Amino acid sequence: AQSVTQLGSHVSVSEGALVLLRCNYSSSVPPYLFWYVQYPNQGLQLLLKYTTGATLVKGINGFEAEFKKSETSFHLTKPSAHMSDAAEYFCAVSKATGSQGNLIFGKGTKLSVKP
Amino acid sequence: EPEVTQTPSHQVTQMGQEVILRCVPISNHLYFYWYRQILGQKVEFLVSFYNNEISEKSEIFDDQFSVERPDGSNFTLKIRSTKLEDSAMYFCASTRGLGFGYTFGSGTRLTVV
Repeated sequence: AQSVTQLGSHVSVSEGALVLLRCNYSSSVPPYLFWYVQYPNQGLQLLLKYTTGATLVKGINGFEAEFKKSETSFHLTKPSAHMSDAAEYFCAVSKATGSQGNLIFGKGTKLSVKP
Repeated sequence: EPEVTQTPSHQVTQMGQEVILRCVPISNHLYFYWYRQILGQKVEFLVSFYNNEISEKSEIFDDQFSVERPDGSNFTLKIRSTKLEDSAMYFCASTRGLGFGYTFGSGTRLTVV
């Protein structure tokens, strides 16, 4: 079975500071990994995804994430936080093979950005 | 940019009533999904749909739930007899293939009273 653990339900950073949101996964088969962002009262927007190839993936809004198989991690980073980054972030995993690709989500991390 | 459209954005219904949540996936997508998010909790998979049939469903998706793609564009989720615990945000999603990004709709907030 697959699962996702997001460490820290709430992360607070100052504007301009590094953003680091942690995600660890477990999967018995090669995973596809995703980060989604949810702004208040809105749907889920894809930030970035890892499927195959380069393990460092770049997404929208200056975010990037690195797939580390040995650590079963897919942490999300941004060098410099902006006020508009305040939102809830969800890490998700799906199987790369043998299924119809339904996503398993973590519990989410709410990011606050202080001026 | 193509969008997944969900209607209505908010629905209030009485316990025991039937509701139908509607979604228009992106036109060239082949896989369709429903997820739900109970307030303050994580997003949970309900069902996936491919080639005009359910391909996978979760334990949440019991006999009270059904999905349909009645024509070439709409994808609906029906809850036959709503319970208080069905109150949640329901998200529709679609993708053109495994490993591609999943596009989510803005959701329908269902409130059962």
